[in-house]
Amino acid sequence: DIVMTQTPLSSPVTLGQPASISCRSSQSLVHSDGNTYLSWLQQRPGQPPRLLIYKISNRFSGVPDRFSGSGAGTDFTLKMSRVEAEDVGVYYCMQATQFPYTFGQGTKLEIK
Amino acid sequence: EVQLVESGGGLVQPGGSLRLSCVASGFTYNTYWMSWVRQAPGKGLEWVANIDQDGSKKNYVDSVKGRFTISRDNAKNSLYLQMNSLRAEDTAVYYCARDYWNVLDHWGQGTLVTVSS
Repeated sequence: DIVMTQTPLSSPVTLGQPASISCRSSQSLVHSDGNTYLSWLQQRPGQPPRLLIYKISNRFSGVPDRFSGSGAGTDFTLKMSRVEAEDVGVYYCMQATQFPYTFGQGTKLEIK
Repeated sequence: EVQLVESGGGLVQPGGSLRLSCVASGFTYNTYWMSWVRQAPGKGLEWVANIDQDGSKKNYVDSVKGRFTISRDNAKNSLYLQMNSLRAEDTAVYYCARDYWNVLDHWGQGTLVTVSS
């Protein structure tokens, strides 16, 4: 199975400041079809997960443009340009290049 | 608007069985793969299984192979997860998610399964 490792596991940030989460996979996420199936999901307290970014850098419908994704191969990053109060929650990276799909451990974003 | 509504969770004894359901609306259900994902209390996400549009292809995580069966009824816009030989470690909120070309783009609210004596 592909292991997804996120850092940091906890990220206290100041409102209005940027934040960044890293995700590393144990093997390349480039699929045989040429796509890289790396997604980022947000889970606010008491809510189901919500898709933010898919295929490394594509923002899902309705996701604010302060969220951006980047990376390639085995190293990926989610960035928030200016953290807002509604961004509090846990963020997961997920690979769907190979079965079983696997998730990172989650990064808890909290406000200082 | 895409909606996914899970049901069927509850308390079950170890070794018991439970069948989860997920009813989909707001999209052409029979043209999408569907997945089940679970989350143990206070823990992270674990993908469980998925199924293709006509139910002919199914994939499972190793920990549930031989115990869980994913299925669907396109006439009822419904997804199912039959869970047998349940263990304490299967205790979790189970989410169904639309699986659009390897992207889990819409999620239900989840249903809680508790395996305990």
